[in-house]
Amino acid sequence: EVQLMESGGDLVNPGGSLRLSCEASGFIFRNFWMSWVRQAPGKGLEWVTNIKEDGSEKYYVDSVKGRFTISKDNAKNSLYLQMNSLRAEDTAVYYCARVRKGGYFENWGRGTPVTVSS
Amino acid sequence: QSALTQPPSASGSPGQSVTISCTGTSSDVGGYKYVSWYQHHPGKAPKLMIYEVTKRPSGVPDRFSGSKSGNTASLTVSGLQTEDEAAYYCSSYAGSNIYVFGTGTKVTVL
Repeated sequence: EVQLMESGGDLVNPGGSLRLSCEASGFIFRNFWMSWVRQAPGKGLEWVTNIKEDGSEKYYVDSVKGRFTISKDNAKNSLYLQMNSLRAEDTAVYYCARVRKGGYFENWGRGTPVTVSS
Repeated sequence: QSALTQPPSASGSPGQSVTISCTGTSSDVGGYKYVSWYQHHPGKAPKLMIYEVTKRPSGVPDRFSGSKSGNTASLTVSGLQTEDEAAYYCSSYAGSNIYVFGTGTKVTVL
C-alpha cells in the first residue's frame, strides 16, 4: 500500500524558514516524480512544485520561485520542501503527492499545516 | 497559471446525478488530454477519482465519469450517495511540467 506522510509544519514568523518532509513507502520511490500541493484556509488546492525521479528537474509555481526549493533523497525515500522568506499568503496545509505519467496525482498524504504569522 | 473555473457548489438528492464543470483555456484543459478530478473530505487526503479525462482508477465506483469538450471538462456523479458529499477539484496539465487546479466545488447530498 502506498503511504505518504508529511511532517515539519509549524507556526513561523513572516520572513522565516521552514523545511517540510514527506516519508514515502509502499512503492519504488526513485522511479516517480513527486509534487507538493497546498491548500490555504478556505481556498482550493494549488500545485506548488514538482521534482523529477532523479531530482534533476524541478518546477515551481510563480509565487514561490526563488523562495522554495524541492528536493528528493531516494536513499531515504523522502521528499523535502525548503521554504524561505515565508509570507502570510504561504499559510496552508501542504500535501505531498506521487505524480504519474499522464499528469495526475495518484496518491496523497494527509498534509502538514504551515502558519505564517507574527 | 490562473486557476481553472468551477462552480462553488452543486447539490442533488440521493440517487440523482450531479455534473461539475471545469473551464480553462486552450493552454491547459483544451490543449491536453491530462485532466484529472479529486475528491476531498475535510481533514483527509485528497483522492484521485478520474485521470486522463475519462479513466477511473481501480476502486473508484463507475458512478463517477469524466468528459471534455473544448476548454471545459466535466465530472458527473450518478446515483448520488451520502458519502459523495465532499469538495471536488479538477486539475489540468498546463505544459512545461506545470499543473493547475480548479477553484473547487462543494457537493451537497440533500
